[in-house]
Amino acid sequence: GAGVSQSPSNKVTEKGKDVELRCDPISGHTALYWYRQSLGQGLEFLIYFQGNSAPDKSGLPSDRFSAERTGGSVSTLTIQRTQQEDSAVYLCASSLGGPLNSPLHFGNGTRLTVT
Amino acid sequence: QKEVEQNSGPLSVPEGAIASLNCTYSDRVSQSFFWYRQYSGKSPELIMSIYSNGDKEDGRFTAQLNKASQYVSLLIRDSQPSDSATYLCAVNGGETSGSRLTFGEGTQLTVNP
Repeated sequence: GAGVSQSPSNKVTEKGKDVELRCDPISGHTALYWYRQSLGQGLEFLIYFQGNSAPDKSGLPSDRFSAERTGGSVSTLTIQRTQQEDSAVYLCASSLGGPLNSPLHFGNGTRLTVT
Repeated sequence: QKEVEQNSGPLSVPEGAIASLNCTYSDRVSQSFFWYRQYSGKSPELIMSIYSNGDKEDGRFTAQLNKASQYVSLLIRDSQPSDSATYLCAVNGGETSGSRLTFGEGTQLTVNP
């Protein structure tokens, strides 16, 4: 596709359940980012993948959060044992090259609601 | 201290005026600076990038960078109601942030017709 694709667009889950969020970046983009945005707040960095390098996981808020990127393309963000404070919009972005001078292209996000 | 701080909004300007949005960052060795615009309910989109001290102009938008003061700003000339959005400052390439892009919390701009 022409842009970053995220699925599902909306997800409602019960507290304690696991969820998987998917991101399909722009073809050819080597860098992939996950951010989280709570209502009325800025973007909170979660994790960054660049090519075959080890991912930068420094933003993951707890060990309930994990992410992988298969074949340098599609990425999945998994949240185990969801809590109400996990409710937010999860945004994925990709960029063509290195982080210093390649703009991020964002997907439309997944709105996660934990009840 | 937050890594990236933006002046608290909301900011309201009349149509045709200049809107000035400000951002400071804490990591002195940061290298890349971006302004993103986010309409309500939408994802951020890049509007300006700047890497060296001085001004960079693109249409009605001008980004200004002063690394000595650790300050970056965005000026919007001839503001239009369609410019009403939240503007996010983003910084990367520093010792703290490294490879990740760190965002401020954004300034909400309203342009009144």
